[in-house]
Amino acid sequence: GENVEQHPSTLSVQEGDSAVIKCTYSDSASNYFPWYKQELGKRPQLIIDIRSNVGEKKDQRIAVTLNKTAKHFSLHITETQPEDSAVYFCAASRGTGGYNKLIFGAGTRLAVHP
Amino acid sequence: DTGVSQNPRHKITKRGQNVTFRCDPISEHNRLYWYRQTLGQGPEFLTYFQNEAQLEKSRLLSDRFSAERPKGSFSTLEIQRTEQGDSAMYLCASSSGTSGGRDTQYFGPGTRLTVL
Repeated sequence: GENVEQHPSTLSVQEGDSAVIKCTYSDSASNYFPWYKQELGKRPQLIIDIRSNVGEKKDQRIAVTLNKTAKHFSLHITETQPEDSAVYFCAASRGTGGYNKLIFGAGTRLAVHP
Repeated sequence: DTGVSQNPRHKITKRGQNVTFRCDPISEHNRLYWYRQTLGQGPEFLTYFQNEAQLEKSRLLSDRFSAERPKGSFSTLEIQRTEQGDSAMYLCASSSGTSGGRDTQYFGPGTRLTVL
């Protein structure tokens, strides 16, 4: 069945360091890969997404890479700041019928220490 | 606030009772999703509406669960005969229906259900 595995489950870094979160998906028909950030007690918010026809996308300190052959995609955060501390979720979707049923990973709790 | 809203934000109920949650999507978003999130896990897809039509239901959605979107605007999720295993955060998301596979889903704050 459809499955997304996410690693690590927790990540602790010093302010200014880089953080990398990795995901693997099982459904080879997946073609849309968003990343959400969820702060404690708040709603998930989209931070970046990538489609399968693109290998890399960057937005300021955040970048996502996609390897369709290996069915891997990763989130890279550079120059981390304490406000980056949150739970990050990757997701994958087929976009079948034009809509995106998102299959989420279990999440990575990122702690950025000053 | 023009984002997705959900009510109530918290619900405590006794096992066996029925509960109903409401989701108001972003205005003019024709797509609406329900997800369930348990502690330490990512959201799990429950069901999807395109306007008023319910087009997909997860196997997670047992016959005790029913969702509606009668006029293609707000949606309700009802759980009958609640069980302790139903305790979770119920999230609603909406999207505008952009074609081509990139259709950003905007989430509501969720309804946290606790079944005693």
